[in-house]
Amino acid sequence: DQQVKQNSPSLSVQEGRISILNCDYTNSMFDYFLWYKKYPAEGPTFLISISSIKDKNEDGRFTVFLNKSAKHLSLHIVPSQPGDSAVYFCAASAYSGAGSYQLTFGKGTKLSVIP
Amino acid sequence: DAGVTQSPTHLIKTRGQHVTLRCSPISGHKSVSWYQQVLGQGPQFIFQYYEKEERGRGNFPDRFSARQFPNYSSELNVNALLLGDSALYLCASSGLWGYTFGSGTRLTVV
Repeated sequence: DQQVKQNSPSLSVQEGRISILNCDYTNSMFDYFLWYKKYPAEGPTFLISISSIKDKNEDGRFTVFLNKSAKHLSLHIVPSQPGDSAVYFCAASAYSGAGSYQLTFGKGTKLSVIP
Repeated sequence: DAGVTQSPTHLIKTRGQHVTLRCSPISGHKSVSWYQQVLGQGPQFIFQYYEKEERGRGNFPDRFSARQFPNYSSELNVNALLLGDSALYLCASSGLWGYTFGSGTRLTVV
């Protein structure tokens, strides 16, 4: 049973336009959400995160929105650049005490930004 | 500062063999986690170690084991390799919050 779902395997966007990547989750115990970017042959690179007590977090061109009632989050990239082309993973975490936490990942969305 | 380092970067093993993967966390980080990423999927949690103790274990068979050393580096061991163990194995270290991943070890089982 997938607890974190990214239903769009791929997305193509023109350079300069907005990219919107979506993520849904089912586990109401998740209290922290992260987005990672991954290039081939590299490990995931942290992009932006949001705590469940917020509904928006912004960092430069990247904004993450969280809708707790819908168990939905989205990553907005504005403006999109060719260097943003990568696989984006949504991840969620529930802290379980004593320094213990783990990330549950979605399957990823491959973003292609077309020049 | 060095990031998370993993070795080896690539590895080819035969079914039934044993493999050991190594990870050095970022200096000062006391927690190390291991993830398996098969093609087309997101990383899947295997283990977390904090202060040399196992703090979490994912849904993996007992063929998978790990340990953390006094210097906080870690090893992931997999026994009796199966073709399905072919994957990218990622190590992540974490401090107060947030994970930093290494570039991974690509394991191919033939």
